[in-house]
Amino acid sequence: LAKTTQPISMDSYEGQEVNITCSHNNIATNDYITWYQQFPSQGPRFIIQGYKTKVTNEVASLFIPADRKSSTLSLPRVSLSDTAVYYCLVGDISSGSARQLTFGSGTQLTVLP
Amino acid sequence: EPEVTQTPSHQVTQMGQEVILRCVPISNHLYFYWYRQILGQKVEFLVSFYNNEISEKSEIFDDQFSVERPDGSNFTLKIRSTKLEDSAMYFCASNTGSDNSPLHFGNGTRLTVT
Repeated sequence: LAKTTQPISMDSYEGQEVNITCSHNNIATNDYITWYQQFPSQGPRFIIQGYKTKVTNEVASLFIPADRKSSTLSLPRVSLSDTAVYYCLVGDISSGSARQLTFGSGTQLTVLP
Repeated sequence: EPEVTQTPSHQVTQMGQEVILRCVPISNHLYFYWYRQILGQKVEFLVSFYNNEISEKSEIFDDQFSVERPDGSNFTLKIRSTKLEDSAMYFCASNTGSDNSPLHFGNGTRLTVT
């Protein structure tokens, strides 16, 4: 199982770009990298997923270097409502192997006015 | 956008009682999951379910837990004899199971065992 390491917390100000980096040194060939956001008392919400290079969607970008041993979630121009815990998950969830998806402690992002 | 829905949002029960937590996964999804999160702790995998049987389960998912898909839409988690330490948020999730499709989570049921 690929173990992930993220900063425990980060602070930012409204309007800034936030980059959260996750280390996953023992990522396996078939593993994908998925980021989730969680607000208090709510379920994790899917943000973005990638395998290599760069992925962008309407809310975030995900940068994955060639060796895939880390990944960086980039949130452009954050607002107060982006205050949440962000989780990096690494695993192969083909055929329902979700046991391999292990939630770590996540990164508590606090956006300040 | 389709969602995973869970009911009830909050369930209070006495120790030793049976509870059933209900989930309606996204309609075209084939794999279903239960996770739990004890207050202030990590989200933990409990069980995955496909084609009407358990695919994988964690050490947490012991004999007091069971899952069922009683009809074409609902997916349930039953705890036979609740313990105080079962108090947690329970999240249902689903995905298509193909091409590493991401899991989509519901907003959970807060179970309080007194």
